[in-house]
Amino acid sequence: KAGVTQTPRYLIKTRGQQVTLSCSPISGHRSVSWYQQTPGQGLQFLFEYFSETQRNKGNFPGRFSGRQFSNSRSEMNVSTLELGDSALYLCASSLGRQEETQYFGPGTRLLVL
Amino acid sequence: GQSLEQPSEVTAVEGAIVQINCTYQTSGFYGLSWYQQHDGGAPTFLSYNALDGLEETGRFSSFLSRSDSYGYLLLQELQMKDSASYFCAVSSPGGSQGNLIFGKGTKLSVKP
Repeated sequence: KAGVTQTPRYLIKTRGQQVTLSCSPISGHRSVSWYQQTPGQGLQFLFEYFSETQRNKGNFPGRFSGRQFSNSRSEMNVSTLELGDSALYLCASSLGRQEETQYFGPGTRLLVL
Repeated sequence: GQSLEQPSEVTAVEGAIVQINCTYQTSGFYGLSWYQQHDGGAPTFLSYNALDGLEETGRFSSFLSRSDSYGYLLLQELQMKDSASYFCAVSSPGGSQGNLIFGKGTKLSVKP
């Protein structure tokens, strides 16, 4: 089975721009979670989608949004980029039950200048 | 809130054994996972303990004590390639922290 894939792998944007990141989960997985990872804050939960519905949401501003499609692929969008949004954005997929293991993609490294 | 504590750094020599501890405080608990992350890479799943006791996978073992809210990852016969960050993570009912709550990570440095 192919693993979780994320595109693009690297991205450079300037302040004020917006960005869309994509995540394709492992085949058969219906839950996709997004995390932001920075050296100072570690792995912080952004949101989780299950069957096209947002099931959980972290404490991030409304500039961060996401969605999930019927094939379980997910996108996240960040609008009005700030310097502090520079981070590694990771998505993880699981079958769907809350206690199940999550498997991570390679991440998208975003640099905001 | 919910939190996990693990040491920030550990150093050991090749061939040695190292134990990385993790204590947690959560309002709900399904199990404890461990992930490995090399610099510039993504977290890779290592092990999951839902019940008390020891789980062994090759050179790696993971232990859980639910009554003590404590677990550890044991790495044996350390190799240079084991130099990485190791995260413990609690699976719990979802909320603002999600279904998987991570510790800050332990950076393991393996010296020759």
